[in-house]
Amino acid sequence: KAGVTQTPRYLIKTRGQQVTLSCSPISGHRSVSWYQQTPGQGLQFLFEYFSETQRNKGNFPGRFSGRQFSNSRSEMNVSTLELGDSALYLCASSADRGMGQPQHFGDGTRLSIL
Amino acid sequence: QKEVEQNSGPLSVPEGAIASLNCTYSDRGSQSFFWYRQYSGKSPELIMSIYSNGDKEDGRFTAQLNKASQYVSLLIRDSQPSDSATYLCAGDTNAGKSTFGDGTTLTVKP
Repeated sequence: KAGVTQTPRYLIKTRGQQVTLSCSPISGHRSVSWYQQTPGQGLQFLFEYFSETQRNKGNFPGRFSGRQFSNSRSEMNVSTLELGDSALYLCASSADRGMGQPQHFGDGTRLSIL
Repeated sequence: QKEVEQNSGPLSVPEGAIASLNCTYSDRGSQSFFWYRQYSGKSPELIMSIYSNGDKEDGRFTAQLNKASQYVSLLIRDSQPSDSATYLCAGDTNAGKSTFGDGTTLTVKP
């Protein structure tokens, strides 16, 4: 069974630009969550999608948005990039959340803002 | 106060020793708990899950949960250098809210 696939693996952008990251979950998984990981802040929850609906949301500004498609693939968009957005963005999928189902992480997208 | 607190590291143990990693949580709605291992430059990988009070053993790993004390721990027996990594504790509520600790970095010295 293929794991969680995130693309691209690396991305370099400049301040003010926008970026879209993609995540394909494990087949059959309907829940996709996004996290931001930085050395100083650890793993921070961005949002979770289940069956194309945002079900949970972390404390990030509105510049961070996402969506999920009918095949459970998810995208995350960050607009008006800031230097502080440089981080590893991780996607995790699970069969469902809140039912004791563990999350399985992709390799992440490392975003660098110049 | 963070919702999930892990014992601050780094933690260093000699090869063959028992490594003890601890985690406390503040959200009493948390029902499911997970331990993830993250090697440097890699993404987290699930190593243990625990849902009810008591111990759960899987090979060299034992997870312990005490909901009354809001405490979760991970014991690694016969620690190996390959166990050197950052260990993340996470708690999930039934509503699907997931909170991670900042992680404890473990170094196992040969």
